[in-house]
Amino acid sequence: EADIYQTPRYLVIGTGKKITLECSQTMGHDKMYWYQQDPGMELHLIHYSYGVNSTEKGDLSSESTVSRIRTEHFPLTLESARPSHTSQYLCASSESGWVFGDTQYFGPGTRLTVL
Amino acid sequence: GQQLNQSPQSMFIQEGEDVSMNCTSSSIFNTWLWYKQDPGEGPVLLIALYKAGELTSNGRLTAQFGITRKDSFLNISASIPSDVGIYFCAGHQGGSEKLVFGKGTKLTVNP
Repeated sequence: EADIYQTPRYLVIGTGKKITLECSQTMGHDKMYWYQQDPGMELHLIHYSYGVNSTEKGDLSSESTVSRIRTEHFPLTLESARPSHTSQYLCASSESGWVFGDTQYFGPGTRLTVL
Repeated sequence: GQQLNQSPQSMFIQEGEDVSMNCTSSSIFNTWLWYKQDPGEGPVLLIALYKAGELTSNGRLTAQFGITRKDSFLNISASIPSDVGIYFCAGHQGGSEKLVFGKGTKLTVNP
């Protein structure tokens, strides 16, 4: 059973606001990921991290930023939210290692609506 | 980038029927994963496959890692209403840290 948490689960905000989506895992996983997903659609990787102080951009361009100061914590920040940022944001983590490091465990997601 | 072709895109079945879905690729994968996602929730890992030819079961679910390493299938036996959701396959290739996801199979089960 995966222990990965995201808060808030739902967020409705106005355009121009700064927001931070929280993601924490208690499994001691080195690798963490952020995906963006529209309802019923495929997942798009927007950020990932292989460990503390390591962050990389994913395949889908995003105006968000991330930080990794602690192993268990991987927050995502939008400096100025816009309606085009409305989506579901999913956080995931995986352990290091040649084989099992491929297996990602997902949090419950944050559903963001920007008005 | 690499793509996984997942089919079918959607399925409408009667309760009690068996279900089969698959993912294929033109490239070799080292790991195949199957997830289920309910509306408004994150994907939940169902089965992980790490070896070509591997056949793994999880209750009524069975998945196989294709012998060519380019495909995988997921079977659900005796479907029930709570099987409703979107099923995603995902694969990992050597030389990349990222997972490649299929576009999902939406399953509807009629009671």
